[in-house]
Amino acid sequence: NAGVTQTPKFQVLKTGQSMTLQCAQDMNHEYMSWYRQDPGMGLRLIHYSVGAGITDQGEVPNGYNVSRSTTEDFPLRLLSAAPSQTSVYFCASSYVPGNTEAFFGQGTRLTVV
Amino acid sequence: AQTVTQSQPEMSVQEAETVTLSCTYDTSENNYYLFWYKQPPSRQMILVIRQEAYKQQNATENRFSVNFQKAAKSFSLKISDSQLGDTAMYFCAYRQETSGSRLTFGEGTQLTVNP
Repeated sequence: NAGVTQTPKFQVLKTGQSMTLQCAQDMNHEYMSWYRQDPGMGLRLIHYSVGAGITDQGEVPNGYNVSRSTTEDFPLRLLSAAPSQTSVYFCASSYVPGNTEAFFGQGTRLTVV
Repeated sequence: AQTVTQSQPEMSVQEAETVTLSCTYDTSENNYYLFWYKQPPSRQMILVIRQEAYKQQNATENRFSVNFQKAAKSFSLKISDSQLGDTAMYFCAYRQETSGSRLTFGEGTQLTVNP
């Protein structure tokens, strides 16, 4: 059971380039989320999804796009990378009800130069 | 909106000693969940312990326990018999009752266990 898989683990982009961070889970979880982690700020929610075809914005959505065409996949797109998007990105998934934990991918360290 | 605050950016403790990490939160909800996650240098987010707001009993997992004060909106983590492997960043997180993987995190506390 692979859990939550993120690719790539590291990426360097030039300002203005676009790219997609991939996230896949094999636990049939309804809920999936994207976070960014910056020093001294914890993890902040970018976008989330409560099921296939349903997405919504989190706390810091600007500059990012998501879609959820299947239960398993939740890619995060950077439309035009900026240095302010240099961060570590985490994807997470969970069931909806009850005291269930969120499972995290191993993160993607993105540097925009 | 809910907020989570960790007021200790860094802490250190001697091996085998006990340390307490602080967390306060703000919410108008009555039912919710609280978590402590550990992030070692590998960057992996590891669940340490969880607490349901409707349970008065404090959660315990081996050497880890919490002091949950609902009225004060406080959720501290106590690590007993600290080990070198406990060195990590620790995050306190809040989740509404039906919010799945939609969590609100604190800023984090970097814990260093010294030999």
